[in-house]
Amino acid sequence: GAGVSQTPSNKVTEKGKYVELRCDPISGHTALYWYRQSLGQGPEFLIYFQGTGAADDSGLPNDRFFAVRPEGSVSTLKIQRTERGDSAVYLCASSSDRGVNEQFFGPGTRLTVL
Amino acid sequence: KQEVTQIPAALSVPEGENLVLNCSFTDSAIYNLQWFRQDPGKGLTSLLLIQSSQREQTSGRLNASLDKSSGRSTLYIAASQPGDSATYLCAVPEGGGADGLTFGKGTHLIIQP
Repeated sequence: GAGVSQTPSNKVTEKGKYVELRCDPISGHTALYWYRQSLGQGPEFLIYFQGTGAADDSGLPNDRFFAVRPEGSVSTLKIQRTERGDSAVYLCASSSDRGVNEQFFGPGTRLTVL
Repeated sequence: KQEVTQIPAALSVPEGENLVLNCSFTDSAIYNLQWFRQDPGKGLTSLLLIQSSQREQTSGRLNASLDKSSGRSTLYIAASQPGDSATYLCAVPEGGGADGLTFGKGTHLIIQP
């Protein structure tokens, strides 16, 4: 596709449930990033993939959060035992990681935990 | 750990004015700096990226400057239009160029018709 896509655009779940958020990066981009944005704040870095491996997961808030990128393209962010404080917009970005390293963002998934 | 601050937090100006948005960062050893625009309920649109070796970048009515030694960047918008109304965010990689970005809280800009 032309840009980064994310599904679903909105997700409403109940406290304690498990959710998966999907990101399709720009074709050919080797680097993929997940961020979380709360209302009125800038995005906060969660995890970065280079190819299939997580190069930096230092931003994941706790062990309920996990992300995979098994084939080096699509990535899934997984949240177990969701809490109300997990409610936010989850943004994905990708970069060609060659030279300029400009990051391009998707439209985000708005997660609401009731 | 890198910290990014944006001033002002909000700005409202009449259409046609030239304006400057400010961004400062605490660690001057940055690889690059990126400016984004975010419309309500939308993702981020990349506006300009300045490499650490550059002092400025221009795209249409936008000009971004970078002063690494003082830890500052500015985004200049010429001849503002109502369509420029959005939140503007600046961000720098936490470490090397491919690292995750550290963002400011943004400047919420309103251009009055």
